[in-house]
Amino acid sequence: GAVVSQHPSRVICKSGTSVKIECRSLDFQATTMFWYRQFPKQSLMLMATSNEGSKATYEQGVEKDKFLINHASLTLSTLTVTSAHPEDSSFYICSAGSGGGTKETQYFGPGTRLLVL
Amino acid sequence: AQTVTQSQPEMSVQEAETVTLSCTYDTSESDYYLFWYKQPPSRQMILVIRQEAYKQQNATENRFSVNFQKAAKSFSLKISDSQLGDAAMYFCAYSPNAGKSTFGDGTTLTVKP
Repeated sequence: GAVVSQHPSRVICKSGTSVKIECRSLDFQATTMFWYRQFPKQSLMLMATSNEGSKATYEQGVEKDKFLINHASLTLSTLTVTSAHPEDSSFYICSAGSGGGTKETQYFGPGTRLLVL
Repeated sequence: AQTVTQSQPEMSVQEAETVTLSCTYDTSESDYYLFWYKQPPSRQMILVIRQEAYKQQNATENRFSVNFQKAAKSFSLKISDSQLGDAAMYFCAYSPNAGKSTFGDGTTLTVKP
């Protein structure tokens, strides 16, 4: 199956700093990628839809100025957590679709664990 | 808004036995996609099985099969001949277009040797 990578796999940062997380589709192109957030032993919550070449679409309640998304190419989307605070500590997962149309299947990255001190 | 409900926070099964995980959803759409994902301790999301709502036939993938009841908006997962490697958190998910998904709260499956 298709492969999606995320970098870094884990990051620890100080409160007030910004952190960038990369999501790459390694062997296919993805015009759309999705960013999710998962707290321990909880469900995945969709944060935003990353659209190649245009602005991201954010879910209700997600601060777009805090979670900056850039989808500069068909294989790369980045999520930047700006001015991170301890409550931003979480597991962030991206997904990208391959196949298109009714055959599209979402492939998930391995996730990034963020700890804000 | 679409919602996905998994009413079993935890389930356990004896190795080699069969277990069924429940999922119900709410939508006003007629065409959509349903998924079961497995999340082991590594937290990598793995697609287990996928069902397109317009297909009446229940999807199967080796030991995994679903019981899709469209009118009842029910989508249960049956795992046959359970193996120790099946132990994980299982998420039911709904998607209107095979893109972004709404996930249930998950069911933690324990497999007893």
